[in-house]
Amino acid sequence: EVQLLESGGGLVQPGGSLRLSCAASGLIFNNFAMSWVRQAPGKGLEWVSAISGSAGSTYYADSVKGRFTISRDNSKNMLYLQMNSLRAEDTAVYYCVRKGITTATGDYWGQGTLVTVSS
Amino acid sequence: DIQMTQSPSTLSASVGDRVTITCRASQSISSWLAWYQQKPGKAPNLLIYKASTLESGVPSRFSGSGSGTEFTLTISSLQPDDFATYYCQQYNSYSLTFGGGTKVEI
Repeated sequence: EVQLLESGGGLVQPGGSLRLSCAASGLIFNNFAMSWVRQAPGKGLEWVSAISGSAGSTYYADSVKGRFTISRDNSKNMLYLQMNSLRAEDTAVYYCVRKGITTATGDYWGQGTLVTVSS
Repeated sequence: DIQMTQSPSTLSASVGDRVTITCRASQSISSWLAWYQQKPGKAPNLLIYKASTLESGVPSRFSGSGSGTEFTLTISSLQPDDFATYYCQQYNSYSLTFGGGTKVEI
């Protein structure tokens, strides 16, 4: 069974940095594009970033472009999100999401990791 | 970016009711639309993709329709487990966008 397990969330001061990780299992990891999607407390869903299976292509929402970097290590079945220059509005639960081959959209989601940006 | 507008934002219904949620895209997205269900404290769960294809394991009381800019999610007979928040999402472009959500409550 496919499992996605995020880690790395926590409390960070404005302007600080954090790296999120997502450990994937139960799938041939490099066959799948992956995304990060976030949800601020009590709010809706916001796509953050995506990366192709080979890591050759990366995409970012305008709200994080230049501050966040998505990457993956296919030898370790790991997805990452490096977040720099964090702002209060980045406070959210961050989900790791697999893009399905048949569905062409997010079919498996992790349980999420909470990032809180506050002084 | 493509904007997605869902209505209503909140829907009050009873068990057994037929429920319809609407999603509009700011430009044509063909059939590249998905619907998700989310319960409090949980990750979203994919219900429907490509506007009308039911994801494996999803009950047949859920159905989706539409193309271009107008889409609907219908629950034919609302069950207690269906009280949740529903989101549409377009994936016509690499920049994915979600609707604002529809909370289905008792």
